[in-house]
Amino acid sequence: RKEVEQDPGPFNVPEGATVAFNCTYSNSASQSFFWYRQDCRKEPKLLMSVYSSGNEDGRFTAQLNRASQYISLLIRDSKLSDSATYLCVVMKDGYKLSFGAGTTVTVRA
Amino acid sequence: NAGVMQNPRHLVRRRGQEARLRCSPMKGHSHVYWYRQLPEEGLKFMVYLQKENIIDESGMPKERFSAEFPKEGPSILRIQQVVRGDSAAYFCASSPDSTYNEQFFGPGTRLTVL
Repeated sequence: RKEVEQDPGPFNVPEGATVAFNCTYSNSASQSFFWYRQDCRKEPKLLMSVYSSGNEDGRFTAQLNRASQYISLLIRDSKLSDSATYLCVVMKDGYKLSFGAGTTVTVRA
Repeated sequence: NAGVMQNPRHLVRRRGQEARLRCSPMKGHSHVYWYRQLPEEGLKFMVYLQKENIIDESGMPKERFSAEFPKEGPSILRIQQVVRGDSAAYFCASSPDSTYNEQFFGPGTRLTVL
């Protein structure tokens, strides 16, 4: 079983729409949780950390459910520039990142 | 402040040759991590180094792969006798210390083995 599993999508949405997707992780010892963004053939960039209480960063809202080992990301009022692959990432041992294969989002005009 | 630098960006090798991938961390960062991304897969942790020390190499294949981070100069990931299955994107990341959650990634080296 993969450590981090994501729906690969693609999610194809019009500008202004809300899109949400999630991932599950298998290792209950995971300590920290993140969403990264990866544009085509480029390096991953941190989008936001994810906290148990849920957190927002502008149009992005992330939620963590430790009991279900489930992480979600919601994008409101999506923009063309939000088109990317979103990577669900968990950290264990204080430094070791485990990445999901990514969820592809395409925002169309 | 320059970001993490990796070179070369693209590397083509024939089976059996050696590949050397370089990573210069961000200024002030002394912790380096290497990850490999196979096509259609997520990034996989390979190795964690500090200056002159390998801290965790649990993700490194047991043979042909080695990594170092010398006192002076960049971190090097070395792959000897490359095979087609080594074709992947290799990303390096750095952080200022082990308590800092965020890792900053370089642009990656895309290795193609013919």
